[in-house]
Amino acid sequence: QKEVEQDPGPLSVPEGAIVSLNCTYSNSAFQYFMWYRQYSRKGPELLMYTYSSGNKEDGRFTAQVDKSSKYISLFIRDSQPSDSATYLCAVSRQLTFGSGTQLTVLP
Amino acid sequence: EPEVTQTPSHQVTQMGQEVILRCVPISNHLYFYWYRQILGQKVEFLVSFYNNEISEKSEIFDDQFSVERPDGSNFTLKIRSTKLEDSAMYFCASQATVYNSPLHFGNGTRLTVT
Repeated sequence: QKEVEQDPGPLSVPEGAIVSLNCTYSNSAFQYFMWYRQYSRKGPELLMYTYSSGNKEDGRFTAQVDKSSKYISLFIRDSQPSDSATYLCAVSRQLTFGSGTQLTVLP
Repeated sequence: EPEVTQTPSHQVTQMGQEVILRCVPISNHLYFYWYRQILGQKVEFLVSFYNNEISEKSEIFDDQFSVERPDGSNFTLKIRSTKLEDSAMYFCASQATVYNSPLHFGNGTRLTVT
């Protein structure tokens, strides 16, 4: 079983839609959960990080962690074309990445 | 906002040659990392570095790889004898403290081995 599983997409949504991106992880010892955004030919850019179950909100982005089911989510409200990128979930201190979900927001 | 910078942005080398990839982490950060992303694949951990020594490394980080922080500002990854399969994006990251602080990534060096 992979340590972190993420649906690679691609995912296309219309502008203004709510986007839900999800990952599952296998090791219950993981304590840190992060979402990164990666534009083409750029490094991963940190969006959100948390180390507890529950929700964390930052502007249009909400990160959700459910440690009991080992499930993490990123919600994007009022999605914009500029949100088009690959979104990577990452867990644990040294970061084990998911494979990334490619998101396209259509104007 | 402070950022991690990596040079060069693109490096082309012949198989068997040595390459050094350079990184300048954020100045007050203490933990440093190298990751690799082969085209179309996930970002993979290579090595972490703290207090002038390797703290963790992955199976990918074999004897062909080495890291160094030669002068207190630069952080380098050396590949001694490059192979075709070393072609990838290499990302450097730094972290202020190991607990409760995120990693900040540079924009990467694209290494092409011919």
